[in-house]
Amino acid sequence: GDSVTQMEGPVTLSEEAFLTINCTYTATGYPSLFWYVQYPGEGLQLLLKATKADDKGSNKGFEATYRKETTSFHLEKGSVQVSDSAVYFCALRMPLTTDSWGKLQFGAGTQVVVTP
Amino acid sequence: SAVISQKPSRDICQRGTSLTIQCQVDSQVTMMFWYRQQPGQSLTLIATANQGSEATYESGFVIDKFPISRPNLTFSTLTVSNMSPEDSSIYLCSVRTGLNTEAFFGQGTRLTVV
Repeated sequence: GDSVTQMEGPVTLSEEAFLTINCTYTATGYPSLFWYVQYPGEGLQLLLKATKADDKGSNKGFEATYRKETTSFHLEKGSVQVSDSAVYFCALRMPLTTDSWGKLQFGAGTQVVVTP
Repeated sequence: SAVISQKPSRDICQRGTSLTIQCQVDSQVTMMFWYRQQPGQSLTLIATANQGSEATYESGFVIDKFPISRPNLTFSTLTVSNMSPEDSSIYLCSVRTGLNTEAFFGQGTRLTVV
């Protein structure tokens, strides 16, 4: 079945460091890919998305490029801040069909801790 | 976008009891979903809440344990029945406003069963 694998955390960084969180997927078709962020005590928020190969999603200094050849959607940020401390989830959604609502399939989540 | 209000935000319950979680959206939405996030884990879809009909449950989840109601396009409830400590989780309501739109999430209900 469809699945998402992302690097385990916690990832601990100093402020202004470069952040990469790896995400790879397995899917039988052509999914849309998402990164969600969960700040402490809050629900999930969509951070960015890409709906087809070579698309680049970007938001708040974060970027991720949909790589079909490597089935990857790695999240990057050039200079993190303490406020970026959160749990980041990679997710995929298959195209809608008569049998599917296009459910989100989440990775395990990666906790990021940014220290001053 | 959609603003989701989920109640309660947290609760501590005795085993064997039931808790009903409410999800209220500020606009009509096509789809509503309920997820469970066990401690330190990712999100697992429990069911899709269908307006005016029975919810569609994912494998491993049953209606007797997680009855769901959705009386209209802006409101849904999830009940966690006959709770045990293994039900201690965060329960999240999620909505989509259309077939190809992004998903929005409530802040979640943190449930502890003692």
